[in-house]
Amino acid sequence: QEQLQESGPGLVKPSETLSLACSVSHGPVKSTSTYWGWIRQAPGKGLEWIGSIYDTGNAYYNPSLRSRVSISRDTSKSQVSLHLTSVTAADTALYYCMSGRSYVYGPEVWGQGTAVSVSS
Amino acid sequence: QTVVTQEPSVTVSPGGTVTLTCAASSGTVTRGHYPTWFQQKPGQPPRPLINGDNNRHSGTPARFSGSLLGGKAALTVSDVRPDDEADYHCLLNYGQTVIFGGGTKLTVL
Repeated sequence: QEQLQESGPGLVKPSETLSLACSVSHGPVKSTSTYWGWIRQAPGKGLEWIGSIYDTGNAYYNPSLRSRVSISRDTSKSQVSLHLTSVTAADTALYYCMSGRSYVYGPEVWGQGTAVSVSS
Repeated sequence: QTVVTQEPSVTVSPGGTVTLTCAASSGTVTRGHYPTWFQQKPGQPPRPLINGDNNRHSGTPARFSGSLLGGKAALTVSDVRPDDEADYHCLLNYGQTVIFGGGTKLTVL
């Protein structure tokens, strides 16, 4: 099964850009995932979908974050990246990378998550 | 934007049956919203339980089942066990947008 590992700075200053990477590995078996994306969870809160990118290259974002977020995929590095600009304390959360075969089935594979704190 | 609502907390006795629901402010939840359910325990990422095709994810016990009930998506857990105590999250699809409910904390007592 595909495995996902998030990485990035644990601390970001307000107004700066948060950049996270997700390394995708699946051993000798070809991946069945057709989309990858990011979901976050603020401390003690529920899950919030940030956005998804498909194997076609098309990306879709949460309308509430669309003006600040971009997700890209580098197939040569087997990596999916997240960039979130102009961060505030409200962006403090555990950020999960996820993937799935189709949006019909929902996110099927999850990384362990990486914690990000926004503070000066 | 549509708001998806779940019960904040539910308590059930061991061996009992409990149904958690997932409602949308925009109206009736249908199969076209591909309702998906996840279980999350403290310190762990969410684990898929029921996918948007209303099938159990690999490894999900048959005690967990998804359905549509009274205009909402529903997750029913039968023969509840202490290990089922967790947060349960639902997800609905609206075109290319995904919306999560606020999650339900299930207590087994």
